[in-house]
Amino acid sequence: QSALTQPPSASGTPGQRVTISCSGSNSNIGGNAVTWYQQLPGTAPKVLIYRNNQRPSGVPDRFSGSKSGTSASLAISGLQSEDEASYYCATWDDSVTGWVFGGGTKLTVL
Amino acid sequence: QVQLQESGPGLVKPSQTLSLTCTVSGGSISSGGYYWNWIRQHPGKGLEWIGHISYTANTYYSPSLRSRVSMSVDTSKNQFSLTLSSVTAADTAFYYCARSGQHLDYWGQGALVTVSS
Repeated sequence: QSALTQPPSASGTPGQRVTISCSGSNSNIGGNAVTWYQQLPGTAPKVLIYRNNQRPSGVPDRFSGSKSGTSASLAISGLQSEDEASYYCATWDDSVTGWVFGGGTKLTVL
Repeated sequence: QVQLQESGPGLVKPSQTLSLTCTVSGGSISSGGYYWNWIRQHPGKGLEWIGHISYTANTYYSPSLRSRVSMSVDTSKNQFSLTLSSVTAADTAFYYCARSGQHLDYWGQGALVTVSS
C-alpha cells in the first residue's frame, strides 16, 4: 500500500481538462514539496512538476500542479493523445526518512 | 546534462544476491548536495524507494528492505551500487537509479532484474 493515495485511473477526451489528485499526511505532503512524474510504457519516469507547481524547461504549460495542506493535484488542460501515460506523485516523508510515491494513475485519452 | 545508467545481471537465482551498479556521467558524484538513489518498480505496478547514499557514503534505507539492502559509492569511478540479499521472486522488478536534491530529478533508464532458478 502506497504512502500517497492516487486514483488508479482517469480519462478524458482530446481538448478536455483532467485533474489527478494525490493525498498524503502531515509527515509527507503536509511538510514537503511534491513532484509529479509522467511515465510512458517502457520508459523511466520523467519530471513534469517539481516543488509543487514548477515546470522544468520543455514541459508544456498545459501541465500544472498545486498543493494544499496534505493534498496535491496535477492538472492537464487541452488533453492530447500523447498524454496517455501513468502519472505518479512523490515527496519526502519525514517519518520514514525517505521518498514516498503514490500508487500511480493511468490516464486514458478516449 | 547528468545521465545515469544501470548495469548488472538481468537474472538472479532465488536466495542469491542481486547486485547493480549505476554509472553517472555529465557530472561528478562528489559535487555534493545530492543523494544517489535506488528505486524499483514491479512489472505493471508503482514505484518503491529502496534507499540512497551520499558521496560520503551516508546511507538511508527503506524500512521494509533495510535488513537485506546495502549501498556503496565509488567516487573514483563516479559510480554507486546496490546489493539486495536473499532475493525471492517478489524482488523481480525494474530497478532505477536516480539523483535527488530537493526532488528525484535525473533517472537512469532502468534495468529489469528477474529472480528465477
